[in-house]
Amino acid sequence: GAVVSQHPSWVICKSGTSVKIECRSLDFQATTMFWYRQFPKQSLMLMATSNEGSKATYEQGVEKDKFLINHASLTLSTLTVTSAHPEDSSFYICSASNARGPETQYFGPGTRLLVL
Amino acid sequence: GESVGLHLPTLSVQEGDNSIINCAYSNSASDYFIWYKQESGKGPQFIIDIRSNMDKRQGQRVTVLLNKTVKHLSLQIAATQPGDSAVYFCAETPNSGNTPLVFGKGTRLSVIA
Repeated sequence: GAVVSQHPSWVICKSGTSVKIECRSLDFQATTMFWYRQFPKQSLMLMATSNEGSKATYEQGVEKDKFLINHASLTLSTLTVTSAHPEDSSFYICSASNARGPETQYFGPGTRLLVL
Repeated sequence: GESVGLHLPTLSVQEGDNSIINCAYSNSASDYFIWYKQESGKGPQFIIDIRSNMDKRQGQRVTVLLNKTVKHLSLQIAATQPGDSAVYFCAETPNSGNTPLVFGKGTRLSVIA
């Protein structure tokens, strides 16, 4: 089956630093990747949609300059949280799709970010 | 539109009993629906899906029912086991290719052994 990995699985950083999270599709080419954020006891909220080779589309309320997304290849998308603050602490989850429809969207295991 | 819950509703079920988890969706244009299971600290795991041209679909121990008239989706788990304990989310999307999923607020299922 299709496998999506995320790295790192968890990260602790100091306030003001930047953190990069990688999302990789291991055995298929992902033309589209999605980034979600999940706060404790809440649902997944879409942050942005990323298509390979083009700029990401951000959801309303998500700062594109703070959450930098790069989808440079068909197997890798990165999310960089710039100048992280404690309120950015959350569980970040990516999903990848091979353009065959929503039923082929596969989720990564998530990355837990804690900003001190 | 999205619905986000600040407090997850919880369903407690005795082991061996059947579980029914409900979900209300808001977008009448949604054409495809998925149920996910999420264990603590992990990403969502696909359980079962259904398209809007169906009202019922069965899998192994799970059944999804769709009522488009009232925009309601349910997940039935037969003979619930301790390993079924998790948070369950419904998700919806229009069937237009690579569109993002909109997640419901989720329900925590606790199985009592």
